[in-house]
Amino acid sequence: DAGITQSPRHKVTETGTPVTLRCHQTENHRYMYWYRQDPGHGLRLIHYSYGVKDTDKGEVSDGYSVSRSKTEDFLLTLESATSSQTSVYFCAISEGTGYGGYTFGSGTRLTVV
Amino acid sequence: KQEVTQIPAALSVPEGENLVLNCSFTDSAIYNLQWFRQDPGKGLTSLLLIQSSQREQTSGRLNASLDKSSGRSTLYIAASQPGDSATYLCAVRVASGTYKYIFGTGTRLKVLA
Repeated sequence: DAGITQSPRHKVTETGTPVTLRCHQTENHRYMYWYRQDPGHGLRLIHYSYGVKDTDKGEVSDGYSVSRSKTEDFLLTLESATSSQTSVYFCAISEGTGYGGYTFGSGTRLTVV
Repeated sequence: KQEVTQIPAALSVPEGENLVLNCSFTDSAIYNLQWFRQDPGKGLTSLLLIQSSQREQTSGRLNASLDKSSGRSTLYIAASQPGDSATYLCAVRVASGTYKYIFGTGTRLKVLA
C-alpha cells in the first residue's frame, strides 16, 4: 500500500546484534502497530503506538523496544537478536477511532543466524 | 481474553464453486471485524470491514456477514476463480483503548482450474 512502507524488506543478522526495523506512513494516522507472523501462531502484537512518544506493549513484547518521535515513523528494535526472533514483521496503521480498519505494510522478513 | 478461530485451516475447491469461510470469536464486545487476504510471501490486503452494528458488507463477488451475538462471521466467495487462491484471515477489533485487532490463524484456500 502506497501509504505505508517498511524497511528493510529482507534482513539477515547474527545472534546478539541489535536490529532496527522502520515503518513509515504518509496517512497521518494516530495509531501504529508492530506484529510478527509465525506459522501456527498467526499474527501477534508486539508493540503499538497511539501518538508521538506514546507507546505500549503487546502480547509478545519481550526482547523488543519501540520508538515514535514523529507521527510518520515507528521504529522496532531488537536489542540483541535471537534465533526465536526469526519471523516476518508487519507494521499496520489505523486512524484515531475504533471504527476504521488496519492498513498493512508489505512486511520485513528477518532471519537471525 | 478474545480468541479468534478459523475453520477449516485449509480448503480446496474446483473453479466456479461458491464457498464459505468461517470465523468465530469468543467476546462479542468488538468495534468491527475485518477480512484480509494474504498471498504467499506477501502482506495483508483488506477485503471487507464490517462494523459491529452491521449485518453484512459486500464487495464484488465477496460478501461478509456478522452475527455479533453468536460470535460468528462468514466470508462468502461467489463463483471462485484460481486467482482467489490465498490465505484468508479474519480479525476482530477489541472494544478498548488499544483499538488493536486479534487475528485468526487463517484459512488457506486453493481453487483448482
